[in-house]
Amino acid sequence: GENVEQHPSTLSVQEGDSAVIKCTYSDSASNYFPWYKQELGKRPQLIIDIRSNVGEKKDQRIAVTLNKTAKHFSLHITETQPEDSAVYFCAASGEGGSGNTGKLIFGQGTTLQVKP
Amino acid sequence: EPEVTQTPSHQVTQMGQEVILRCVPISNHLYFYWYRQILGQKVEFLVSFYNNEISEKSEIFDDQFSVERPDGSNFTLKIRSTKLEDSAMYFCASSAYRAVSYNEQFFGPGTRLTVL
Repeated sequence: GENVEQHPSTLSVQEGDSAVIKCTYSDSASNYFPWYKQELGKRPQLIIDIRSNVGEKKDQRIAVTLNKTAKHFSLHITETQPEDSAVYFCAASGEGGSGNTGKLIFGQGTTLQVKP
Repeated sequence: EPEVTQTPSHQVTQMGQEVILRCVPISNHLYFYWYRQILGQKVEFLVSFYNNEISEKSEIFDDQFSVERPDGSNFTLKIRSTKLEDSAMYFCASSAYRAVSYNEQFFGPGTRLTVL
């Protein structure tokens, strides 16, 4: 079945450093890849997404890259700040099965800690 | 900005009891989802719903689960006979289009279900 693997499970960086989180997906038909930030006890919030017709997308300090051939996509956060500390989830649109329901298959999450 | 809302925020129930979790999706959205997140784990897809019927369901969504859109605004998840392992945070999400097309899924704040 569809699967998304995410690494690392925890990541600790100094304020101002960059952070990179990587995901791989199994369903080659997937073509939508969002990243969600989840603070403790709160809802997942979409921070950036990418569709398969582009290889890279940037929004201020956040960027996502996609390699469809290798079925990899990555989140890059530059100039990290303490408020970036949270759990980050990658996801892929699960297009397997009959029809296209838009379900998201999530990775296991990365706990990012930014030390001041 | 419109948001997905969920009630209650926390539900405590005894094993074997029925629970109904309620969601109000964003008003012009057409696709509705339920996900769950066991404490400390990843977000897992349960079911997608469109045009008053289930589009897709996961293995988790067995015959103890059901969904309904009883009126034009609410979207409910019912668990008929709760088990201890149903304890989790349940998130409702909605989107205007299927994720692959153009629009993101917006998540509600979640209902924390505790089964004793």
